Amino acid sequence: NAGVMQNPRHLVRRRGQEARLRCSPMKGHSHVYWYRQLPEEGLKFMVYLQKENIIDESGMPKERFSAEFPKEGPSILRIQQVVRGDSAAYFCASSPPWQGWLYGYTFGSGTRLTVV
Amino acid sequence: QKEVEQDPGPLSVPEGAIVSLNCTYSNSAFQYFMWYRQYSRKGPELLMYTYSSGNKEDGRFTAQVDKSSKYISLFIRDSQPSDSATYLCAIESGSRLTFGEGTQLTVNP
Repeated sequence: NAGVMQNPRHLVRRRGQEARLRCSPMKGHSHVYWYRQLPEEGLKFMVYLQKENIIDESGMPKERFSAEFPKEGPSILRIQQVVRGDSAAYFCASSPPWQGWLYGYTFGSGTRLTVV
Repeated sequence: QKEVEQDPGPLSVPEGAIVSLNCTYSNSAFQYFMWYRQYSRKGPELLMYTYSSGNKEDGRFTAQVDKSSKYISLFIRDSQPSDSATYLCAIESGSRLTFGEGTQLTVNP
């Protein structure tokens, strides 16, 4: 049973380009969470999604960031017009519906975004 | 005031030492507490979770929660070089986890 799969592992973008980060949850998991880890900082919540629904996006920056979790396919975190401050590790986590966040959830290995 | 505060370390100990990692939190409504371990360039992995005040033990790891003082701790007995990692406390707040900044631990052989 594969864990949470994130790709790409490393992503380099020039300022102004778009970054698309993908996350495939564990089999049987229907809840996806995105977190960001800036250098020398802890993990910060960004967004919580279920299939075709955004449940909580209170941690998402108001502009340039969007997330989706379609009925088919991976969850996508999209960052438009990237800036140097977006350079960070972005982690996705998933959980089954009957546990939710209660027992913690399974994280992927992250996508490390570097904006040059 | 941050919701969760964690001693950032870094912490360096000899193999076999007892390690104590600590966090404080501000909101008394928090009920679920977790510890994650994160190796370099990897995602966090859940070590332990607790609900009530008191101790919970799993092998060499003991998680302790004191809700009256809003203090949570993780103790590692007989620490090993393989325990070298960043340890993150996390607290449930609705559908999300709020993490401490992490304590970097190095166990020297």
